[in-house]
Amino acid sequence: NAGVTQTPKFQVLKTGQSMTLQCAQDMNHNSMYWYRQDPGMGLRLIYYSASEGTTDKGEVPNGYNVSRLNKREFSLRLESAAPSQTSVYFCASSEAGQGPRPQHFGDGTRLSIL
Amino acid sequence: DAKTTQPNSMESNEEEPVHLPCNHSTISGTDYIHWYRQLPSQGPEYVIHGLTSNVNNRMASLAIAEDRKSSTLILHRATLRDAAVYYCILRDRQAGTALIFGKGTTLSVSS
Repeated sequence: NAGVTQTPKFQVLKTGQSMTLQCAQDMNHNSMYWYRQDPGMGLRLIYYSASEGTTDKGEVPNGYNVSRLNKREFSLRLESAAPSQTSVYFCASSEAGQGPRPQHFGDGTRLSIL
Repeated sequence: DAKTTQPNSMESNEEEPVHLPCNHSTISGTDYIHWYRQLPSQGPEYVIHGLTSNVNNRMASLAIAEDRKSSTLILHRATLRDAAVYYCILRDRQAGTALIFGKGTTLSVSS
């Protein structure tokens, strides 16, 4: 049961470098999300995609771009990495629609920016 | 979304029941109460949700106060694997589907 798969699991970047974090789900979910989690904190929403072809900003979108490549895949890009973007990044997916649809999370990408 | 208040940490012994409280005094009539947990070095995992009535599933039970201003997640027999951060989250059924996480309760389980 793959669920939500994130790659890579770990990455170290230098300030100013660019990188794309990949996320894929095999549950045929319409909605996908990117969160970041800083030490001792809860998760904060960066971007989400309610359905294929749509994306919307979350709480902390600055410095990031996203692409909903197809129904399965949702990528997060850092164009010019900054030390403040050092964090653990989680991708999640859920079925479409309003109401209490549980979100399914990947195991995260641990990103350090020097 | 309305805010929730949880204790920073709780401790339990293995095979004992655990009651994790959550206060949400400003909950609205359309807010569902969700619980997620996050094991060390993993992403959050859905546990349970409810609106007004108590709910049970294979992982836990959710007890909701009659006035809905508080709720309690109940783990019937804690195991070492239940050591995690537990998040109580309110979600308006009319809103978008994003989750707003607080700091949660860190549960420690001793053998």
